[in-house]
Amino acid sequence: GENVEQHPSTLSVQEGDSAVIKCTYSDSASNYFPWYKQELGKRPQLIIDIRSNVGEKKDQRIAVTLNKTAKHFSLHITETQPEDSAVYFCAAQMGWGSARQLTFGSGTQLTVLP
Amino acid sequence: GAGVSQSPSNKVTEKGKDVELRCDPISGHTALYWYRQSLGQGLEFLIYFQGNSAPDKSGLPSDRFSAERTGGSVSTLTIQRTQQEDSAVYLCASSTGYNEQFFGPGTRLTVL
Repeated sequence: GENVEQHPSTLSVQEGDSAVIKCTYSDSASNYFPWYKQELGKRPQLIIDIRSNVGEKKDQRIAVTLNKTAKHFSLHITETQPEDSAVYFCAAQMGWGSARQLTFGSGTQLTVLP
Repeated sequence: GAGVSQSPSNKVTEKGKDVELRCDPISGHTALYWYRQSLGQGLEFLIYFQGNSAPDKSGLPSDRFSAERTGGSVSTLTIQRTQQEDSAVYLCASSTGYNEQFFGPGTRLTVL
């Protein structure tokens, strides 16, 4: 089955700096890669996702890049703010056209220092 | 509109007891998923339902775990003879299929 590895497990940055979180996946059949943000005691919420036919996607301060050859994808947050502090999870999903479970990375605790 | 809801929000039980966790997906969502999140860990897939198809139970950790989805809507996850290692947050998610999964608030299960 699919295996997703996520690094780093913790990340501290100064407010205004950029943060990068990296994930690798094992199964080349995976073709959908979402990123979820989970604040303490809250449910995970999707912040951005990318499909395998796209190499990069951006939404304001957040961007995701995908390298299918190397089987890795990354989350980039620019101009970080204290409210960006949370746990971020990457995930991978296989299959086209029907539901499949997500395989999650182990999470990155991002702390933005004021 | 209403999001995914789960009940109870917290459940404390004694080792050996059975528990039932409920999930109400977003109306119209054909796919429903159960995940488990242990303290400080990622989300572990348990089971998913897609329409009228047979559920994918490949993530269930033991035969003490089962789930059903009635009428293509509400789902119940049942854990029989609970063990302390079952303590975790159980998250339900729903989607329209091959799209974003929306998560519920979770049920925090504590087995004493």
